[in-house]
Formats: sequence, C-alpha cells, structure tokens
Amino acid sequence: QVQLVESGGGVVQPGRSLRLSCAASGFNFSRHGMHWVRQAPGKGLEWLAVIWYDGSNKYYADSVKGRFTISRDNSKSTQYLEMDGLRAEDTAVYYCARDRNGGGYFDYWGQGTLVTVCS
Amino acid sequence: EIVLTQSPATLSLSPGERATLSCRASQSVTSYLAWYQQKPGQAPRLLIYDASNRATDIPARFSGSGYGTDFTLTISSLEPEDFAFYYCQQRSNWPPLTFGGGTKVEIK
Repeated sequence: QVQLVESGGGVVQPGRSLRLSCAASGFNFSRHGMHWVRQAPGKGLEWLAVIWYDGSNKYYADSVKGRFTISRDNSKSTQYLEMDGLRAEDTAVYYCARDRNGGGYFDYWGQGTLVTVCS
Repeated sequence: EIVLTQSPATLSLSPGERATLSCRASQSVTSYLAWYQQKPGQAPRLLIYDASNRATDIPARFSGSGYGTDFTLTISSLEPEDFAFYYCQQRSNWPPLTFGGGTKVEIK
C-alpha cells in the first residue's frame, strides 16, 4: 500500500534552517509529482511546493519562494524540503502528498511532521 | 490567485441527516475542483476530484457537483465517522494550488 512518512520536524529558532524528508513506498515514486502542504495550528491547508516526477520543474507558493527548496532523490524514493530563514509564521504541521496523475490533486498524504519556530 | 470561499463555516447536523457544503471560486475553475476530509490529528483524505468523481474507496454517500465557480459536496446520510472538517481545492490555474478555508461538520 502507498505510504508516505515525513521526518525532520522539530523546534528551531527564527532565522535558522531545517530539512524535512518524505520517504515513499508502495508505488513507483519516479512516476509521480510530489507536493508539500502545511497547516498552521488551528488553521486551514496551504500548498507550498511541487516537484515534477523527474525533478525537471519546481513551483512554489509566494509565501515560501526564495526561502524553501523542494528536491527529490528517485533512487531513494524520497523527497525533501529545505527550509531557510524560518519565521514564527512557518510554525505548522508539514505534510508530504503525492500528486494524482500529474494533475494537481493530492491522492495520498503522509501523517505530517510538526515544525515549531520560536526563540 | 484563485480564492475559494467555503460556507458555512460550521454545519451542525445529526447522524442520518443530509449535509450540503458549498465552495465558491473567485473565478471559473471549470470542473477542476477537489474535496478533502480531515479528522482531528489526521492527514486530509481525497474524497472527490474533478468536481464529481469519487476517489478510490470513498463511499457512495459522498457526491460532488458544480461547474465554473459554484460547487457542492453532499453527504446523503451522515454517519458518525463523517463528522470532520472538509476542504475544497482547485487545480484550474496553478501555481498556486489553493484551498478553501474549510467547513466543520459537527454533531448537533
């Protein structure tokens, strides 16, 4: 069965960096685009970034453009989110999600990893 | 950026009742709209894509309709496990992909 497992969350000071990972299994990872979506405490869902199945294209939400970098390693069935210059407003649960057939929907989600930015 | 507005914010109903949730887009998304269910402490789950297609293993009591700017998610008869948050999401004009603010379906 499809599984997505995020890791790397934690408490970090403002301005510091953090790298999230998402390990995938149960499907052909190299055939699917992948996304990151976050949810601040008590708030709704916010799409952050997408990477094409082969890594050829990457797109970001304006709120993280220039600070966050999405990447993937198809040989390890893993995607990453490098987060630099973290701010208090980046505090959220970060979800990894699989793209459904290259169309911009999310058909499988990880359980999420919590990132807390505070001094 | 396409803005999605969901209403009502909270829907108070009893098990067995019909739930009707609305999602309105700031501009046409044709049929490129999805619905997700999220329970507390869990990840969202895809229910409906392309406005009216049920995702894998989604019960028939969930249905979606609409086109352009106005969409509806209907739960024909609420089961206890259906009390949750529901979000709509568009993929018509992206990036960015955008979500609505959510509707909470709570037990009356």
